[in-house]
Amino acid sequence: DSGVTQTPKHLITATGQRVTLRCSPRSGDLSVYWYQQSLDQGLQFLIQYYNGEERAKGNILERFSAQQFPDLHSELNLSSLELGDSALYFCASSVGTSVGETQYFGPGTRLLVL
Amino acid sequence: AQSVTQLGSHVSVSEGALVLLRCNYSSSVPPYLFWYVQYPNQGLQLLLKYTTGATLVKGINGFEAEFKKSETSFHLTKPSAHMSDAAEYFCAVSDRLNYGGSQGNLIFGKGTKLSVKP
Repeated sequence: DSGVTQTPKHLITATGQRVTLRCSPRSGDLSVYWYQQSLDQGLQFLIQYYNGEERAKGNILERFSAQQFPDLHSELNLSSLELGDSALYFCASSVGTSVGETQYFGPGTRLLVL
Repeated sequence: AQSVTQLGSHVSVSEGALVLLRCNYSSSVPPYLFWYVQYPNQGLQLLLKYTTGATLVKGINGFEAEFKKSETSFHLTKPSAHMSDAAEYFCAVSDRLNYGGSQGNLIFGKGTKLSVKP
């Protein structure tokens, strides 16, 4: 158990819909990262938050957005969903922002868009 | 920009045999390298990492990796495979903007699925 929790574990929805994925980091960690894992793209970094502020952006679509709340939990919002958004979405956390810090991964949310 | 290449999407070994999973990286700055393991229907777990210092890094579950700058490699090894090692293994490098700059996200390879035959 990494100490990172993600809800829900599974999500099935239809094209065009909007969903919210939730992540609670390990106690004491200020950084939260979101990654997408798909068969064709592999594991790709989406976005990072540090202590409530956006820190870095990766290959995140404009239809996707995220935020980190004062209690440090984070939410990833996916809207206007397409079939290709079906994937496993991971949240990871680390203490800060130093390069080389260990990132601890949650169990993921499996999203299926029908 | 940094990148990672894992040679072999599938590797199969017999129980008790040597495990060797290959990872090569590309980086214009000193790399910070990681190996993660993903068991079926689970998240990623850190096996080991190289930041600075000793180039032979020991990790959990008997795995180790050696950073070889001249070969731009960070191969993962285990002397004797166990059935419980069957999983997918990911090599990753920290995304760094420039020397001293930090962008802490990880850039992953495509992964290598390890099968262990009895």
